[in-house]
Amino acid sequence: KQEVTQIPAALSVPEGENLVLNCSFTDSAIYNLQWFRQDPGKGLTSLLLIQSSQREQTSGRLNASLDKSSGRSTLYIAASQPGDSATYLCAVKGGSEKLVFGKGTKLTVNP
Amino acid sequence: SQTIHQWPATLVQPVGSPLSLECTVEGTSNPNLYWYRQAAGRGLQLLFYSVGIGQISSEVPQNLSASRPQDRQFILSSKKLLLSDSGFYLCAWSLRGSTYNEQFFGPGTRLTVL
Repeated sequence: KQEVTQIPAALSVPEGENLVLNCSFTDSAIYNLQWFRQDPGKGLTSLLLIQSSQREQTSGRLNASLDKSSGRSTLYIAASQPGDSATYLCAVKGGSEKLVFGKGTKLTVNP
Repeated sequence: SQTIHQWPATLVQPVGSPLSLECTVEGTSNPNLYWYRQAAGRGLQLLFYSVGIGQISSEVPQNLSASRPQDRQFILSSKKLLLSDSGFYLCAWSLRGSTYNEQFFGPGTRLTVL
């Protein structure tokens, strides 16, 4: 059974800092990995999707990496801003339609 | 561009009452559709998914059911709500047959069962 873990559960940083969010999964037989952002009381916004054959994806100040063999992914946020404050979720997709989610990392960027 | 709608946005219902949550997708055809639940302190859990009209797969046995009466409409229902049904319900879609299979989520419905 696939399990996804995100560490830390919460993170508080000053504005301008570069930071890394971690995601690990127990079964390396994944189809892809997706990073999402969730603002309080809102739905999920897809940030980046990495196919199992890819090593990283970039979008603006965000860079996501994937090491399938070790069951790890990281989301790197450069030059963090207060508007980046949100909960970040990672999810992996195996052979079925199911996305298995971690519980998220709550990020607070202080001005 | 594609958009996904959910209603109602919030709902407060007594235990034992029925439930109907609706999700519609615009700007695409033949999408895969999904219902997820996000409960306090727990991760997102897939409840149902559908690859076509009338085709529903259930991931978690419970007192909820789903239906897909039209290509871009997905409905989550219950005949009698339980306290444990409280949570944030999210609908999602993905492009059928897509290499990427990226899922896109709606704004959610906050359900409180009292």
